[in-house]
Amino acid sequence: EAQVTQNPRYLITVTGKKLTVTCSQNMNHEYMSWYRQDPGLGLRQIYYSMNVEVTDKGDVPEGYKVSRKEKRNFPLILESPSPNQTSLYFCASSHLSDSADTQYFGPGTRLTVL
Amino acid sequence: DQQVKQNSPSLSVQEGRISILNCDYTNSMFDYFLWYKKYPAEGPTFLISISSIKDKNEDGRFTVFLNKSAKHLSLHIVPSQPGDSAVYFCAASALDNNDMRFGAGTRLTVKP
Repeated sequence: EAQVTQNPRYLITVTGKKLTVTCSQNMNHEYMSWYRQDPGLGLRQIYYSMNVEVTDKGDVPEGYKVSRKEKRNFPLILESPSPNQTSLYFCASSHLSDSADTQYFGPGTRLTVL
Repeated sequence: DQQVKQNSPSLSVQEGRISILNCDYTNSMFDYFLWYKKYPAEGPTFLISISSIKDKNEDGRFTVFLNKSAKHLSLHIVPSQPGDSAVYFCAASALDNNDMRFGAGTRLTVKP
């Protein structure tokens, strides 16, 4: 089944403790992206990647890092999480030709930073 | 598992006519539904929402209808304008656990 998976689904952590949220897709998509969803602000793009070893900043990249060493994986790294990064995070993927079009979203990761 | 499905990947309508975008869901725990609109090279933006206690919510040219028994919602745009051409994502959430799932999107093209 075509899908985007994220792990963990829920995470509570403390300020400053490095964490990684994984994202994996099985559709051989070139394009992958991370969003955060906050009440009243909707979805905001953090980082995106057009292909392996190609990543670019989205609208709100501060405090985040990403890597794209393999086509299927696009982990989101928070080196030193802060409470303002408490949010619901979504990973999405699509073929590059569709990057402006339909995207497959993961189930989301609820992160709480205390 | 695809708990939210948008079975039409694309839709084309004439300017001035009605656009109807459909969305189906499988999880009966979902009680809040949203539509997002996405232009090329931009992130999705919130358009309209509806909670499960209602069956209709209207905002200008946009109306969302919810049929809980059929687990189906639809977005109506009347009249459609060329600037409405975009990809529309349906999303559903269960408020008590903040779970949210997205459909894959429907590309709407409104022809002048």
